[in-house]
Amino acid sequence: KAGVTQTPRYLIKTRGQQVTLSCSPISGHRSVSWYQQTPGQGLQFLFEYFSETQRNKGNFPGRFSGRQFSNSRSEMNVSTLELGDSALYLCASSLGPGFSYEQYFGPGTRLTVT
Amino acid sequence: ILNVEQSPQSLHVQEGDSTNFTCSFPSSNFYALHWYRWETAKSPEALFVMTLNGDEKKKGRISATLNTKEGYSYLYIKGSQPEDSATYLCASTASQGGSEKLVFGKGTKLTVNP
Repeated sequence: KAGVTQTPRYLIKTRGQQVTLSCSPISGHRSVSWYQQTPGQGLQFLFEYFSETQRNKGNFPGRFSGRQFSNSRSEMNVSTLELGDSALYLCASSLGPGFSYEQYFGPGTRLTVT
Repeated sequence: ILNVEQSPQSLHVQEGDSTNFTCSFPSSNFYALHWYRWETAKSPEALFVMTLNGDEKKKGRISATLNTKEGYSYLYIKGSQPEDSATYLCASTASQGGSEKLVFGKGTKLTVNP
């Protein structure tokens, strides 16, 4: 079974721009969660989508948004980029909604904001 | 604010040593505790998801226990091998404002010397 894939793997953007990251879950997984990894804050939960609906949301500003398509693929969008948005963005898929199931992580997208 | 604490922050052991780490979490609104192994340049890999007080899970030389009443979990590695070198993350579920999230600790970085 193919694992979770994320595109692009690396991205350089300028402050003020917006960016869209993509995540394809493991086949059969309907839940996709997004996380931000920074050296200072560690791994932080952004949001979770299940069956095209945002089920859960972390403590990030409205500039961070996402969506999920009918094939369970998910996108995350960050608008008006700030230098502090530079991070590794990981998505993870799981069998069911919530966090009673193991999360299977993708390789991540490394975003650098200059 | 939910804090998940892990100790120690880092650990150096010799090949063949057994070792253990601690994860502390608030026991209110808890329903699942996750353990992940994160090797450098790879994606986090799920080890265990535990939900019940007294749960014990084992995968090869790695095992984990859960005490939901006092809010802690232990991860044990028996006979450490160099390939066990990684950062071990735990994460606890939390409810906040009607939304659930997975809160990660900062991890324990294990180095196993041959």
